[in-house]
Amino acid sequence: TQLLEQSPQFLSIQEGENLTVYCNSSSVFSSLQWYRQEPGEGPVLLVTVVTGGEVKKLKRLTFQFGDARKDSSLHITAAQPGDTGLYLCAGGPGAGSYQLTFGKGTKLSVIP
Amino acid sequence: ETGVTQSPTHLIKTRGQQVTLRCSSQSGHNTVSWYQQALGQGPQFIFQYYREEENGRGNFPPRFSGLQFPNYSSELNVNALELDDSALYLCASSLMGGGGTEAFFGQGTRLTVV
Repeated sequence: TQLLEQSPQFLSIQEGENLTVYCNSSSVFSSLQWYRQEPGEGPVLLVTVVTGGEVKKLKRLTFQFGDARKDSSLHITAAQPGDTGLYLCAGGPGAGSYQLTFGKGTKLSVIP
Repeated sequence: ETGVTQSPTHLIKTRGQQVTLRCSSQSGHNTVSWYQQALGQGPQFIFQYYREEENGRGNFPPRFSGLQFPNYSSELNVNALELDDSALYLCASSLMGGGGTEAFFGQGTRLTVV
């Protein structure tokens, strides 16, 4: 069974601070996706990383996929209250399936 | 391009009853997956439908069943509801064979079993 562990589980920071969220597994994934979820809503896809060592930037968000494709990180620079939400990482399957393995998520609160 | 839509948004059922949840996939997508998200947890994969057939299933009992229709919309049926079935049920659509790896989620159906 593939498992994804996210840390920290909860994070409360002041506006303007930087933060990093981690997603780790003992399994190799063909791809890894990061989602952001608001309360009572479905997850919204932020980014997909596919290649080991890949780094993607989305404005103030930087995503990295580990060289061995077992782990990933999300770094947010100068956090804003609008970044508040549940950040989920999800490991992608092999060909022929869209079964995603999700971590439990990191609940981020950015205080103005 | 329409996104993934689910209905109803909220539902309250009594233990032992049956429930049907519905999902319209994103335009152009041919694959639908269903997930259960309990409070404080990440989504857990229930099953996936492609070409109207189930082609992948997570660790859920047979009382969780589904259908996919020719227009790629889908239903999730749960029989003999239990209190632990209370959760947010998410539908995700994808394009199998399109070369991508992304799944796009609907807003979910919040099911409460009392």
